[in-house]
Amino acid sequence: DAKTTQPPSMDCAEGRAANLPCNHSTISGNEYVYWYRQIHSQGPQYIIHGLKNNETNEMASLIITEDRKSSTLILPHATLRDTAVYYCIVRGQSGSARQLTFGSGTQLTVLP
Amino acid sequence: DTAVSQTPKYLVTQMGNDKSIKCEQNLGHDTMYWYKQDSKKFLKIMFSYNNKELIINETVPNRFSPKSPDKAHLNLHINSLELGDSAVYFCASRSGGSQSEAFFGQGTRLTVV
Repeated sequence: DAKTTQPPSMDCAEGRAANLPCNHSTISGNEYVYWYRQIHSQGPQYIIHGLKNNETNEMASLIITEDRKSSTLILPHATLRDTAVYYCIVRGQSGSARQLTFGSGTQLTVLP
Repeated sequence: DTAVSQTPKYLVTQMGNDKSIKCEQNLGHDTMYWYKQDSKKFLKIMFSYNNKELIINETVPNRFSPKSPDKAHLNLHINSLELGDSAVYFCASRSGGSQSEAFFGQGTRLTVV
């Protein structure tokens, strides 16, 4: 079962930063936080992941709170093509815990 | 080149038929997966498989079976199709590293009539 809680939907103006929150209060010490997104009618796409430090790549930034019970995915300059469902996933490192278990995600709509 | 490819993209079939969906990855990954996305858009894992271990989601009916002719392929075979099997099925693959990301195919939309 998914271990994360996300708002069902969010809007963001084009060109502005999109901040997508995720709660994972039951996360354990060896579990990573992953973010994927699914653009309509496509397969899910990896965005970023982290353990406890903040992470940044060409797509986004991931901010993880010090207690690791929540995180925020930041798309610094959202475009219309960023409209998608964004999934926050907590994943372990061994056995069945290594599987990606998707929750209901957040539908991000970028508005022109 | 497509990293994870699935065929067919669309499949319409009658109840009771047996069908297969093929998946191939050219990434050299060790682990492959099948996911089902129903009409409510929930993505549920069905199987994860590498050459050492098959993990089956206990909610998956035994009419569904993964078949792996080699490391690059994980096909999904479905017997006695039912209306409730209508969904989009996604194949994915991942390397063996503990932090590696998963790559997904574009999905197969199965419609059972």
